[in-house]
Amino acid sequence: EDQVTQSPEALRLQEGESSSLNCSYTVSGLRGLFWYRQDPGKGPEFLFTLYSAGEEKEKERLKATLTKKESFLHITAPKPEDSATYLCAVPDYGGSQGNLIFGKGTKLSVKP
Amino acid sequence: NAGVMQNPRHLVRRRGQEARLRCSPVKGHSHVYWYRQLPEEGLKFMVYLQKENIIDESGMPKERFSAEFPKEGPSILRIQQVVRGDSAAYFCASSLQKNTEAFFGQGTRLTVV
Repeated sequence: EDQVTQSPEALRLQEGESSSLNCSYTVSGLRGLFWYRQDPGKGPEFLFTLYSAGEEKEKERLKATLTKKESFLHITAPKPEDSATYLCAVPDYGGSQGNLIFGKGTKLSVKP
Repeated sequence: NAGVMQNPRHLVRRRGQEARLRCSPVKGHSHVYWYRQLPEEGLKFMVYLQKENIIDESGMPKERFSAEFPKEGPSILRIQQVVRGDSAAYFCASSLQKNTEAFFGQGTRLTVV
């Protein structure tokens, strides 16, 4: 059973058109939710960690929020350079809890 | 302040050969993780190591795959007798502590021909 589900799978926006990406998780007792950005041919780049419901983190045009069941990555007035795949992940509670379980990602394309 | 360094970036092996992938974590990080990514699929956990110890290898196939993180030197992911299905991008990540943010390398893209 998937523990991390991201939607939509792909999102195409015009430059300046704000939107949100969703990450829902089924684990209980969350001990961290992580957002990453991955460009083609590159490794994931760390963006944010959220630990508790109600928490928010911001970086440039990105803002991540967390509730008890899901997280959102809000993109305000995106630019073409924001085009990438955005991944969210949670620690694996069934294992050693050291590794992360990743969603399949949302592929964002921002057109000028 | 170097991040996670992986080499080689690209590796081509014939079926039956061995592949050795290297990973130097962020300086000061003692937790290392290996993940595999297939085209159009998500990152899948393989193994979690902490200096000289394998903490969790539940995601790693029991045959042909092994990993180590010696006291000195990089972490090594070793794949023996590679098959075409091993072709993928292999990523290494490191963290300062368990359950804190992990930083990824640029990956090694293995192609088995």
